[in-house]
Amino acid sequence: AQSVSQHNHHVILSEAASLELGCNYSYGGTVNLFWYVQYPGQHLQLLLKYFSGDPLVKGIKGFEAEFIKSKFSFNLRKPSVQWSDTAEYFCAVNAGNAGNMLTFGGGTRLMVKP
Amino acid sequence: EAGVVQSPRYKIIEKKQPVAFWCNPISGHNTLYWYRQNLGQGPELLIRYENEEAVDDSQLPKDRFSAERLKGVDSTLKIQPAELGDSAVYLCASSLVWTSGYEQYFGPGTRLTVT
Repeated sequence: AQSVSQHNHHVILSEAASLELGCNYSYGGTVNLFWYVQYPGQHLQLLLKYFSGDPLVKGIKGFEAEFIKSKFSFNLRKPSVQWSDTAEYFCAVNAGNAGNMLTFGGGTRLMVKP
Repeated sequence: EAGVVQSPRYKIIEKKQPVAFWCNPISGHNTLYWYRQNLGQGPELLIRYENEEAVDDSQLPKDRFSAERLKGVDSTLKIQPAELGDSAVYLCASSLVWTSGYEQYFGPGTRLTVT
């Protein structure tokens, strides 16, 4: 069974700092990769997704993620965070043979200090 | 466009009591998912419907959990009887098709507390 690991459970940054959140998965075949974000009091929203093609994916609000197949990784990055980026971030993987089933990581709670 | 609607948003019950959650997916979305999210963890799939058919319920604890999606639109998830360990957020999501790569849209969830 596939699994997803997010190594950073809690991250605290100051505004304008750069962000990188790690995500590793355990499935060896074709995958679709997602990052979801949950702002305080809101529901899960899609931040960005990778299906194929350019491994560097750009999403909303200045976020991007890079798919490195050899490392089974899909790390999320943002050059300069804002206070409004305070949220919980979830990496999710869909194995190519699993229909549309998503396996989520445990999440990373990001706090950005103003 | 209205998003995924769930009710109630919060529910507190005593153990051994029954509880039910309701979900109305985005109009036209034929695939519906129920997830459970424990505190400090990511969502875990309980059951997936394509139209009215449950196509993946391997993670649903069938001794106490049941779900239905009559007419292939809204859905109900039931727990009877509830246990302390069932305290979690129950999320509903929907997508247009079931094939991989289609974005799942999530509702706000129902936070269940079992005392």
